[in-house]
Amino acid sequence: EIVLTQSPATLSLSPGDRATLSCRASQSVSSHLAWYQQKPGQGPRLLIYDTSNRATGIPARFSGSGSGTDFTLTISSLEPEDFAVYYCQQCNDWPPLTFGGGTKVEIK
Amino acid sequence: VQLVQSGAEVKKPGASVIVSCKTSGYTFISYYIHWVRQAPGQGLEWMGIVNPSGGRTTYAQKFQGRVTMTRDTSTSTVYMEVNSLRSEDTAVYYCARGPTSWYGRHYFDYWGQGTLVTVSS
Repeated sequence: EIVLTQSPATLSLSPGDRATLSCRASQSVSSHLAWYQQKPGQGPRLLIYDTSNRATGIPARFSGSGSGTDFTLTISSLEPEDFAVYYCQQCNDWPPLTFGGGTKVEIK
Repeated sequence: VQLVQSGAEVKKPGASVIVSCKTSGYTFISYYIHWVRQAPGQGLEWMGIVNPSGGRTTYAQKFQGRVTMTRDTSTSTVYMEVNSLRSEDTAVYYCARGPTSWYGRHYFDYWGQGTLVTVSS
């Protein structure tokens, strides 16, 4: 099973700041990694797939990069609605599909 | 595209629960459906996948023997049954749409609203 480790667990930032979230895989997942955003009381929303492709309707301030075992989600300038929990997920080697433990982006 | 799940459930330990996921807005048999759960305050956990076309399923090892996923093509609905419930099964259960091919990228582009299952004596 591929283990995804996200860091940091919590990121305290202000609106307008740049957010950099990390996801590290226990073995290579090639480029087969996605990022999701989840707000309280809601289901996750797909943001990025295949490392760097924005899903439909996702603003350009969200970008993804990386390959192999190290991946990054960057939010270039935080909007108030971006404060949420973010998860990475791999589909390179499954079952099982696996998720990271999440990074909470909170208002400083 | 919509995935609409059944309502919250409260069950006693040892009981079973069935959660439904009614889909609309796309061709039901063309897309795989996954189930993912989230315990209170915790992360996301993949449970398994069902092929709405042929009904084939694959479960996470942790749930094998205790979870059954089925589908009804006449109503475009997918079901998940969890047996022998224990307190650790208290979670929000989500259905989510996957790709059109088993060999596609299994990301989840649409999600149900979630169903809270509470297991308590």
